[in-house]
Amino acid sequence: DQQVKQNSPSLSVQEGRISILNCDYTNSMFDYFLWYKKYPAEGPTFLISISSIKDKNEDGRFTVFLNKSAKHLSLHIVPSQPGDSAVYFCAASAINSGYALNFGKGTSLLVTP
Amino acid sequence: GAGVSQTPSNKVTEKGKYVELRCDPISGHTALYWYRQSLGQGPEFLIYFQGTGAADDSGLPNDRFFAVRPEGSVSTLKIQRTERGDSAVYLCASSTRTGVLGYTEAFFGQGTRLTVV
Repeated sequence: DQQVKQNSPSLSVQEGRISILNCDYTNSMFDYFLWYKKYPAEGPTFLISISSIKDKNEDGRFTVFLNKSAKHLSLHIVPSQPGDSAVYFCAASAINSGYALNFGKGTSLLVTP
Repeated sequence: GAGVSQTPSNKVTEKGKYVELRCDPISGHTALYWYRQSLGQGPEFLIYFQGTGAADDSGLPNDRFFAVRPEGSVSTLKIQRTERGDSAVYLCASSTRTGVLGYTEAFFGQGTRLTVV
């Protein structure tokens, strides 16, 4: 069963605007969340993470928000740039329970000039 | 090269055959992870090595799958009696930092695309 869900397979945004990618999870034991970016024919690249003790983490143009009560997180990219066009994966883990990351299916972001 | 190297980049094999997939991590990286990504899905955890030992192999789907890392560097994922459902991209990652937090500093290889016909 899919414990991490990204319900939007694709998203198109104009350059300069905000991109918001959403992610929901079902396992209340998850306490660490990450976002990855993937270009075609390359491996995923780590983007930003957040621990469950926080509700927001910011790194440059990228901000991740966590709403534990709703089991929801989102990645905001402001301003969006054409080079941000890629597939974005949300991933979650329970730090003290193994070493696996549970990934969503990904959202393909297209930033148009 | 400086990154994680996976060979071969593509492998086509017949159902029932045995295959080996190789991962050369970044030199000095203690942690090594294997994932597989089927079409339209996110990566799925297979196994995690800390040094030479498999600290977590809970993601291996069945006993046809086995992985080794005898000297704490190169790792080989071995699949016996391959089935069409094993077709996927197999990804390897390595990190200096161990455990789940190691993912924040992990580098993924480009993957091996395995096709079982």
